Amino acid sequence: AQSVTQLGSHVSVSEGALVLLRCNYSSSVPPYLFWYVQYPNQGLQLLLKYTSAATLVKGINGFEAEFKKSETSFHLTKPSAHMSDAAEYFCAVSAGFTGGGNKLTFGTGTQLKVEL
Amino acid sequence: EPEVTQTPSHQVTQMGQEVILRCVPISNHLYFYWYRQILGQKVEFLVSFYNNEISEKSEIFDDQFSVERPDGSNFTLKIRSTKLEDSAMYFCASSGNRVENQPQHFGDGTRLSIL
Repeated sequence: AQSVTQLGSHVSVSEGALVLLRCNYSSSVPPYLFWYVQYPNQGLQLLLKYTSAATLVKGINGFEAEFKKSETSFHLTKPSAHMSDAAEYFCAVSAGFTGGGNKLTFGTGTQLKVEL
Repeated sequence: EPEVTQTPSHQVTQMGQEVILRCVPISNHLYFYWYRQILGQKVEFLVSFYNNEISEKSEIFDDQFSVERPDGSNFTLKIRSTKLEDSAMYFCASSGNRVENQPQHFGDGTRLSIL
């Protein structure tokens, strides 16, 4: 079984500051990990994914995440926050394709606020 | 870039009525999913669908729920007799190549309000 814990339901940063959103996972098999972003009244947009190739994964909009097996973590970072980054961010885990699909298990989400 | 499209964007239904939520997945995708997000809660998996049959379903997906791919493009979620607790945002997703473990692409969702 897989699960995800996102520490901090709300994170507030100043524009230009480092963004760090935390995600820890639990998985009985080697995990596939994802970060999705949700803007108000929109669906989930894939930011980046980890599928065992490289531990440091770069995504869209300047975000990146590092897979640390020893810490069971997959934290999302961005060196410099922009006002347009304000949104809700979801970490998700999958066991990969098992039969007919790769079900995602989501964390509870982190609302990112960017202040001037 | 191809998109997953969902209709309607908002559905208001009386309790006990049947509702059908519609989705058009990305055209060359093979795997289809429904998730739901109750207001203020996390996104929860409902069901996955592959090769014209359900491949996995969650405890939420009871006998009141069904899915169908009636033609080559649509993927529908039916709730037979809606309850107040079915009020949520419902997301459709699709994914493609299994070998490359391609990620799921999500639609913008249908907000279902049960009165």
